[in-house]
Amino acid sequence: AQKVTQAQTEISVVEKEDVTLDCVYETRDTTYYLFWYKQPPSGELVFLIRRNSFDEQNEISGRYSWNFQKSTSSFNFTITASQVVDSAVYFCALSDYQGAQKLVFGQGTRLTINP
Amino acid sequence: SAVISQKPSRDICQRGTSLTIQCQVDSQVTMMFWYRQQPGQSLTLIATANQGSEATYESGFVIDKFPISRPNLTFSTLTVSNMSPEDSSIYLCSVGPTDGAGETQYFGPGTRLLVL
Repeated sequence: AQKVTQAQTEISVVEKEDVTLDCVYETRDTTYYLFWYKQPPSGELVFLIRRNSFDEQNEISGRYSWNFQKSTSSFNFTITASQVVDSAVYFCALSDYQGAQKLVFGQGTRLTINP
Repeated sequence: SAVISQKPSRDICQRGTSLTIQCQVDSQVTMMFWYRQQPGQSLTLIATANQGSEATYESGFVIDKFPISRPNLTFSTLTVSNMSPEDSSIYLCSVGPTDGAGETQYFGPGTRLLVL
């Protein structure tokens, strides 16, 4: 069965600090997708990134970067120079590559950026 | 990505009543999903809404409690039946794939339900 673990329930940092959100996953599939979503206080779920299991290249998008390591089944997310607007709950999710494409979510990490 | 809307955005309902939530997409999509997010919790898949056939429910969710319709490729409804306070949650629909290059699911804004 697929499983996603976000061990950090809550993180609180001061603005401009760097912060890393951890995500560890379990799957028996050899091909799969990994995702990060952001849920601000308004409640909507905002897509941030998709990574397939073939591609272990790290990705950077502005202040956001993602580190995918198949050897440790991890897909960590780093925010550099955090801002108050980054405050939200962040979810890591996993889906199979073909077929049902159902998303399995981690428990989420509540990130608070203090001014 | 597709533009997804949900109605209502929020509601307060009495125990024992039912509420139907609508999900509308601005383009045709292959797959639509319904998720539940209980207070302070993660998202759990309720069912996959299949166009032209019955929905596929996940373990722990049944059609009598959460009937789903999908009359076409742009619209779906989820009904929460015979509600109890435990049904108080955010209900989200998602669609995918829409980007043609992979399996990203995009989510609607959610429906916040409070059952008294």
